[in-house]
Amino acid sequence: NAGVTQTPKFQVLKTGQSMTLQCAQDMNHNSMYWYRQDPGMGLRLIYYSASEGTTDKGEVPNGYNVSRLNKREFSLRLESAAPSQTSVYFCASSLRTGPNYEQYFGPGTRLTVT
Amino acid sequence: RKEVEQDPGPFNVPEGATVAFNCTYSNSASQSFFWYRQDCRKEPKLLMSVYSSGNEDGRFTAQLNRASQYISLLIRDSKLSDSATYLCVVRPTGANNLFFGTGTRLTVIP
Repeated sequence: NAGVTQTPKFQVLKTGQSMTLQCAQDMNHNSMYWYRQDPGMGLRLIYYSASEGTTDKGEVPNGYNVSRLNKREFSLRLESAAPSQTSVYFCASSLRTGPNYEQYFGPGTRLTVT
Repeated sequence: RKEVEQDPGPFNVPEGATVAFNCTYSNSASQSFFWYRQDCRKEPKLLMSVYSSGNEDGRFTAQLNRASQYISLLIRDSKLSDSATYLCVVRPTGANNLFFGTGTRLTVIP
């Protein structure tokens, strides 16, 4: 099993450009998450999807949109990239959203906005 | 105030040493606690959950002190392969998401 996969691995954008980060999991998990990791800040939740067909905001949703395309795939879109969105983006999945379900992370996308 | 606070380190210890990390959390209603490990430029991976009674997994021992709202991780007989950043993670009651500390960096020196 590949687990959680993310594309692309690296991306450089100019301010104002848009892009979509892709995430897929093959573990038949119901819940999926997008985090960003910045130096000195720890990982912060952007959006999550508790189950197929639902999405909810996390701590830092501004400037992002998400789509739960099907059970396997959860994409994150930046409509108009800003330098403040330079970060490492991690997608994660878990069987469910309950307290005892481990989250499995993808390898990350390193995004630079100039 | 941050949900989870950790000493960023770095901790540089010789092989075979015992090292301990602490973290504090701000939400007294927090329900679940974890330590994740993150290698340089890699994704976080679950190291262990932290239970109220404390728990051990080989050379790793995790403890929870609800009264003082802190969590600890003890690593005995450190190995070179233990070099990584250790993330303290908390899930408040009723929350669907996890709150991560900024991590404590450990380097084990030969």
